[in-house]
Amino acid sequence: RKEVEQDPGPFNVPEGATVAFNCTYSNSASQSFFWYRQDCRKEPKLLMSVYSSGNEDGRFTAQLNRASQYISLLIRDSKLSDSATYLCVVLWGATNKLIFGTGTLLAVQP
Amino acid sequence: EPEVTQTPSHQVTQMGQEVILRCVPISNHLYFYWYRQILGQKVEFLVSFYNNEISEKSEIFDDQFSVERPDGSNFTLKIRSTKLEDSAMYFCATGLAGVTDTQYFGPGTRLTVL
Repeated sequence: RKEVEQDPGPFNVPEGATVAFNCTYSNSASQSFFWYRQDCRKEPKLLMSVYSSGNEDGRFTAQLNRASQYISLLIRDSKLSDSATYLCVVLWGATNKLIFGTGTLLAVQP
Repeated sequence: EPEVTQTPSHQVTQMGQEVILRCVPISNHLYFYWYRQILGQKVEFLVSFYNNEISEKSEIFDDQFSVERPDGSNFTLKIRSTKLEDSAMYFCATGLAGVTDTQYFGPGTRLTVL
């Protein structure tokens, strides 16, 4: 099983749509989880951390299911500016290295 | 807002040459990392550095790679003898402390080995 696995997409959605991304991870001992956003040829930027109770930041909602080792990101009311690659990221091991998924490409269409 | 900076933004080199990639961390950060991303692939961990020593390195980080913090501010990644397959974006990331701490990424250096 891959360390962090995501559907690569692309997800092509119209403006205003709701879109959901899923991710699974293999290390049951992992403690911290994140969604990063990466624009083409740019650095990853933290979108939000993911907590066990789930958390929301505006149009973005992240959920964590530890039993299933599953993380999700929901984007409501998609904007053109949401077009990017969304990276599922897991904090791994004693030195806190980040393990990245391959990313899911989102293209929001006008 | 404080930022991680990296220089150069783009480095072109001949195979077999040495390159040094530089990073200036956010000033009060204590944990430093290098990651790389080959074009079209995922971001991969290379090395973590804390308290002036390597705390973990990946299989990619072989004897051709080294890191140091020579003057207490810059954090450098050296590749001694570059190979074609070293062509990638190299990202520096820094964090303040703790398991849940966010890592902040620099804008990256694009390394092209010819």
